[in-house]
Amino acid sequence: KNEVEQSPQNLTAQEGEFITINCSYSVGISALHWLQQHPGGGIVSLFMLSSGKKKHGRLIATINIQEKHSSLHITASHPRDSAVYICAVRYGTGNQFYFGTGTSLTVIP
Amino acid sequence: NAGVMQNPRHLVRRRGQEARLRCSPMKGHSHVYWYRQLPEEGLKFMVYLQKENIIDESGMPKERFSAEFPKEGPSILRIQQVVRGDSAAYFCASSRVVGEQFFGPGTRLTVL
Repeated sequence: KNEVEQSPQNLTAQEGEFITINCSYSVGISALHWLQQHPGGGIVSLFMLSSGKKKHGRLIATINIQEKHSSLHITASHPRDSAVYICAVRYGTGNQFYFGTGTSLTVIP
Repeated sequence: NAGVMQNPRHLVRRRGQEARLRCSPMKGHSHVYWYRQLPEEGLKFMVYLQKENIIDESGMPKERFSAEFPKEGPSILRIQQVVRGDSAAYFCASSRVVGEQFFGPGTRLTVL
Protein backbone atom coordinates (compact mmCIF):
# COMPACT_ATOMS: atom_id res chain seq x y z
CA LYS A 1 0.00 0.00 0.00
CA ASN A 2 1.37 3.42 -0.93
CA GLU A 3 1.38 5.56 2.20
CA VAL A 4 2.69 9.03 2.90
CA GLU A 5 3.17 9.93 6.54
CA GLN A 6 3.77 13.43 7.78
CA SER A 7 4.81 14.64 11.19
CA PRO A 8 3.96 16.51 13.21
CA GLN A 9 0.27 16.99 12.40
CA ASN A 10 0.18 20.32 14.17
CA LEU A 11 3.03 22.64 15.04
CA THR A 12 3.10 25.94 16.91
CA ALA A 13 6.28 27.99 16.93
CA GLN A 14 7.46 31.38 18.10
CA GLU A 15 8.49 33.85 15.45
CA GLY A 16 12.13 33.35 14.55
CA GLU A 17 12.27 29.65 15.41
CA PHE A 18 13.74 27.03 13.08
CA ILE A 19 11.02 24.63 11.93
CA THR A 20 11.23 21.11 10.55
CA ILE A 21 8.40 19.12 9.00
CA ASN A 22 8.95 15.49 8.10
CA CYS A 23 7.58 13.21 5.39
CA SER A 24 8.08 9.46 5.05
CA TYR A 25 6.86 7.21 2.26
CA SER A 26 6.62 3.46 1.90
CA VAL A 27 8.13 2.57 -1.49
CA GLY A 28 10.52 4.11 -3.99
CA ILE A 29 9.35 7.28 -5.64
CA SER A 30 10.10 9.20 -8.82
CA ALA A 31 9.35 12.65 -7.37
CA LEU A 32 8.29 14.37 -4.17
CA HIS A 33 6.58 17.75 -3.86
CA TRP A 34 6.19 20.07 -0.91
CA LEU A 35 3.02 22.15 -1.15
CA GLN A 36 1.71 25.06 0.90
CA GLN A 37 -1.96 25.76 1.53
CA HIS A 38 -3.21 28.85 3.39
CA PRO A 39 -6.58 28.63 5.19
CA GLY A 40 -9.35 28.82 2.63
CA GLY A 41 -6.77 29.37 -0.03
CA GLY A 42 -5.23 27.64 -2.95
CA ILE A 43 -2.23 25.37 -3.13
CA VAL A 44 1.23 26.56 -4.01
CA SER A 45 4.01 24.20 -5.03
CA LEU A 46 7.13 25.02 -3.02
CA PHE A 47 9.55 22.36 -4.21
CA MET A 48 9.80 19.33 -6.45
CA LEU A 49 12.59 16.92 -5.47
CA SER A 50 13.92 13.67 -6.77
CA SER A 51 17.23 13.77 -4.91
CA GLY A 52 19.42 15.97 -2.73
CA LYS A 53 18.48 19.37 -1.46
CA LYS A 54 16.83 22.55 -2.69
CA LYS A 55 16.71 26.03 -1.16
CA HIS A 56 14.42 28.96 -1.85
CA GLY A 57 14.72 31.94 0.44
CA ARG A 58 14.11 30.76 3.99
CA LEU A 59 12.84 27.38 2.87
CA ILE A 60 15.01 24.30 2.49
CA ALA A 61 13.85 20.87 1.33
CA THR A 62 15.91 17.71 1.55
CA ILE A 63 15.28 14.15 0.50
CA ASN A 64 17.00 10.90 1.44
CA ILE A 65 16.08 8.31 -1.17
CA GLN A 66 17.57 5.37 0.75
CA GLU A 67 15.66 6.20 3.92
CA LYS A 68 12.49 7.19 2.01
CA HIS A 69 12.30 10.43 3.92
CA SER A 70 12.09 14.13 3.18
CA SER A 71 12.21 17.20 5.38
CA LEU A 72 11.03 20.75 4.90
CA HIS A 73 12.86 23.35 6.97
CA ILE A 74 11.87 26.95 7.56
CA THR A 75 14.53 29.23 8.97
CA ALA A 76 13.69 32.41 10.91
CA SER A 77 9.98 31.59 10.87
CA HIS A 78 7.44 34.38 10.50
CA PRO A 79 3.68 34.57 11.16
CA ARG A 80 3.07 34.70 7.41
CA ASP A 81 4.51 31.17 7.21
CA SER A 82 1.41 29.95 9.05
CA ALA A 83 -0.24 27.49 6.68
CA VAL A 84 -0.72 23.79 6.03
CA TYR A 85 2.30 22.11 4.47
CA ILE A 86 1.61 19.02 2.40
CA CYS A 87 3.98 16.36 1.14
CA ALA A 88 3.01 14.63 -2.12
CA VAL A 89 4.81 11.78 -3.87
CA ARG A 90 4.65 10.20 -7.29
CA TYR A 91 5.64 6.57 -7.86
CA GLY A 92 7.42 5.18 -10.93
CA THR A 93 5.84 6.29 -14.17
CA GLY A 94 2.46 6.79 -12.53
CA ASN A 95 0.86 10.19 -12.80
CA GLN A 96 -1.18 10.50 -9.68
CA PHE A 97 0.16 12.03 -6.53
CA TYR A 98 -0.27 10.46 -3.12
CA PHE A 99 -0.62 13.10 -0.45
CA GLY A 100 0.21 13.27 3.22
CA THR A 101 -2.50 14.63 5.50
CA GLY A 102 -0.57 17.84 6.00
CA THR A 103 1.13 19.66 8.85
CA SER A 104 -0.69 22.68 10.19
CA LEU A 105 1.87 25.32 11.18
CA THR A 106 1.08 28.35 13.32
CA VAL A 107 3.82 30.90 13.93
CA ILE A 108 3.10 33.21 16.84
CA PRO A 109 4.52 36.76 16.85
CA ASN B 1 1.37 34.27 -18.04
CA ALA B 2 -1.80 33.42 -16.13
CA GLY B 3 -1.78 30.47 -13.79
CA VAL B 4 -4.31 27.68 -13.60
CA MET B 5 -7.82 29.16 -13.52
CA GLN B 6 -10.80 27.55 -11.87
CA ASN B 7 -14.37 28.73 -11.77
CA PRO B 8 -16.51 29.19 -9.99
CA ARG B 9 -14.50 29.68 -6.81
CA HIS B 10 -17.55 28.91 -4.70
CA LEU B 11 -20.57 26.86 -5.77
CA VAL B 12 -23.70 26.11 -3.77
CA ARG B 13 -26.06 23.39 -4.91
CA ARG B 14 -29.09 21.68 -3.42
CA ARG B 15 -29.17 17.92 -3.16
CA GLY B 16 -30.05 16.35 -6.51
CA GLN B 17 -28.75 19.22 -8.63
CA GLU B 18 -25.79 19.09 -10.98
CA ALA B 19 -22.45 20.77 -10.32
CA ARG B 20 -20.07 21.77 -13.12
CA LEU B 21 -16.56 22.79 -12.20
CA ARG B 22 -14.26 24.33 -14.79
CA CYS B 23 -10.50 24.35 -15.05
CA SER B 24 -8.40 26.24 -17.57
CA PRO B 25 -4.82 24.98 -17.52
CA MET B 26 -1.77 27.16 -17.84
CA LYS B 27 -0.84 28.16 -21.37
CA GLY B 28 0.99 25.35 -23.10
CA HIS B 29 -0.12 22.71 -20.59
CA SER B 30 -1.95 19.72 -22.02
CA HIS B 31 -2.15 17.59 -18.86
CA VAL B 32 -4.91 18.24 -16.32
CA TYR B 33 -5.46 16.60 -12.93
CA TRP B 34 -8.46 16.87 -10.60
CA TYR B 35 -8.14 16.40 -6.84
CA ARG B 36 -10.69 16.52 -4.05
CA GLN B 37 -10.15 17.69 -0.50
CA LEU B 38 -12.92 16.66 1.86
CA PRO B 39 -13.37 18.64 5.08
CA GLU B 40 -10.68 17.75 7.62
CA GLU B 41 -9.09 15.30 5.17
CA GLY B 42 -6.12 15.32 2.85
CA LEU B 43 -6.07 15.71 -0.91
CA LYS B 44 -7.07 12.72 -3.01
CA PHE B 45 -6.46 12.15 -6.69
CA MET B 46 -9.56 11.84 -8.86
CA VAL B 47 -8.69 11.86 -12.54
CA TYR B 48 -5.89 12.67 -15.00
CA LEU B 49 -6.70 13.88 -18.51
CA GLN B 50 -4.89 14.96 -21.61
CA LYS B 51 -6.60 16.74 -24.44
CA GLU B 52 -9.69 14.72 -25.40
CA ASN B 53 -8.52 11.67 -23.44
CA ILE B 54 -8.98 10.31 -19.94
CA ILE B 55 -5.66 8.76 -18.98
CA ASP B 56 -6.32 7.64 -15.40
CA GLU B 57 -9.66 7.84 -13.62
CA SER B 58 -8.86 5.42 -10.82
CA GLY B 59 -9.75 7.98 -8.16
CA MET B 60 -13.16 8.91 -9.53
CA PRO B 61 -16.29 7.64 -7.79
CA LYS B 62 -17.96 5.08 -10.04
CA GLU B 63 -21.27 6.91 -10.24
CA ARG B 64 -22.39 10.51 -10.78
CA PHE B 65 -18.89 11.87 -11.48
CA SER B 66 -17.44 12.49 -14.93
CA ALA B 67 -14.65 14.56 -16.39
CA GLU B 68 -13.69 15.81 -19.82
CA PHE B 69 -10.97 17.90 -21.40
CA PRO B 70 -12.13 18.84 -24.90
CA LYS B 71 -9.92 19.96 -27.74
CA GLU B 72 -11.13 23.51 -27.22
CA GLY B 73 -12.07 25.02 -23.89
CA PRO B 74 -11.56 24.17 -20.25
CA SER B 75 -11.61 20.84 -18.51
CA ILE B 76 -14.95 20.12 -16.84
CA LEU B 77 -15.60 18.05 -13.73
CA ARG B 78 -19.29 17.20 -13.61
CA ILE B 79 -21.13 15.87 -10.59
CA GLN B 80 -24.68 14.76 -11.17
CA GLN B 81 -27.34 14.50 -8.46
CA VAL B 82 -25.10 15.97 -5.80
CA VAL B 83 -25.31 14.74 -2.21
CA ARG B 84 -24.10 16.40 1.00
CA GLY B 85 -21.03 14.15 1.00
CA ASP B 86 -19.85 15.81 -2.22
CA SER B 87 -19.22 19.04 -0.32
CA ALA B 88 -15.50 19.59 -0.62
CA ALA B 89 -12.80 21.69 -2.23
CA TYR B 90 -12.01 20.54 -5.75
CA PHE B 91 -8.58 21.45 -7.06
CA CYS B 92 -7.34 21.28 -10.59
CA ALA B 93 -3.67 21.14 -11.54
CA SER B 94 -1.97 21.25 -14.90
CA SER B 95 1.41 20.33 -16.28
CA ARG B 96 3.34 20.52 -19.50
CA VAL B 97 4.96 17.18 -18.84
CA VAL B 98 4.17 14.42 -16.41
CA GLY B 99 5.22 15.21 -12.84
CA GLU B 100 5.53 18.98 -12.45
CA GLN B 101 2.05 20.22 -11.57
CA PHE B 102 0.72 23.71 -10.92
CA PHE B 103 -2.44 24.05 -8.88
CA GLY B 104 -5.47 26.26 -9.37
CA PRO B 105 -7.20 28.14 -6.54
CA GLY B 106 -9.88 25.50 -6.14
CA THR B 107 -13.67 25.42 -6.25
CA ARG B 108 -15.42 25.07 -2.93
CA LEU B 109 -18.64 23.13 -3.41
CA THR B 110 -21.32 23.26 -0.75
CA VAL B 111 -24.32 20.97 -1.05
CA LEU B 112 -27.32 22.04 0.99
